[in-house]
Amino acid sequence: AQSVTQPDIHITVSEGASLELRCNYSYGATPYLFWYVQSPGQGLQLLLKYFSGDTLVQGIKGFEAEFKRSQSSFNLRKPSVHWSDAAEYFCAVVSTDKLIFGTGTRLQVFP
Amino acid sequence: GAGVSQSPSNKVTEKGKDVELRCDPISGHTALYWYRQSLGQGLEFLIYFQGNSAPDKSGLPSDRFSAERTGGSVSTLTIQRTQQEDSAVYLCASSLGQGLGEAFFGQGTRLTVV
Repeated sequence: AQSVTQPDIHITVSEGASLELRCNYSYGATPYLFWYVQSPGQGLQLLLKYFSGDTLVQGIKGFEAEFKRSQSSFNLRKPSVHWSDAAEYFCAVVSTDKLIFGTGTRLQVFP
Repeated sequence: GAGVSQSPSNKVTEKGKDVELRCDPISGHTALYWYRQSLGQGLEFLIYFQGNSAPDKSGLPSDRFSAERTGGSVSTLTIQRTQQEDSAVYLCASSLGQGLGEAFFGQGTRLTVV
């Protein structure tokens, strides 16, 4: 079964700095990958998804992610972080038809 | 409704009691998921319903946990003989397809077992 690993539990960046959150998926056929965000006091929201095709996908709120088969990675990036981006970020993969999440990365943004 | 609705939003129960958590998915969504989110933990998959197929119960942590989905719509997650370790936020999500569509999440039920 497919799974995803998020190696960073907590990341801190300064507002305006660039951001990269790591996600690695387990070996298998081309995975269906997602990034979700959980803002304080709010539900989970889809940022972007990758099924096939162009390996660089654009999402909402200025986020993008790049699928790299050679590295089994699907890292989330943003060129300039805003204070409102402080949240918990989850990578997810479809495994045997169901959506399986990583353990999440908590992003803290300093002014 | 416009989104996934979960009730109650908060539930405090005594150890050993049974609890039922309800999820109303988005109308027309055939897939429905239950997840558990404990403090500092990720989203733990519990159970997955897809249309009329037998549910995928592979994530249920013990036989005290069960879920059903009536008429392909509303779902109820039941926890029998609750334990303190069951304290968590229980999230429900629904989607159009077999895990390929965007999953829409409810606000969750915060369960506290005292």
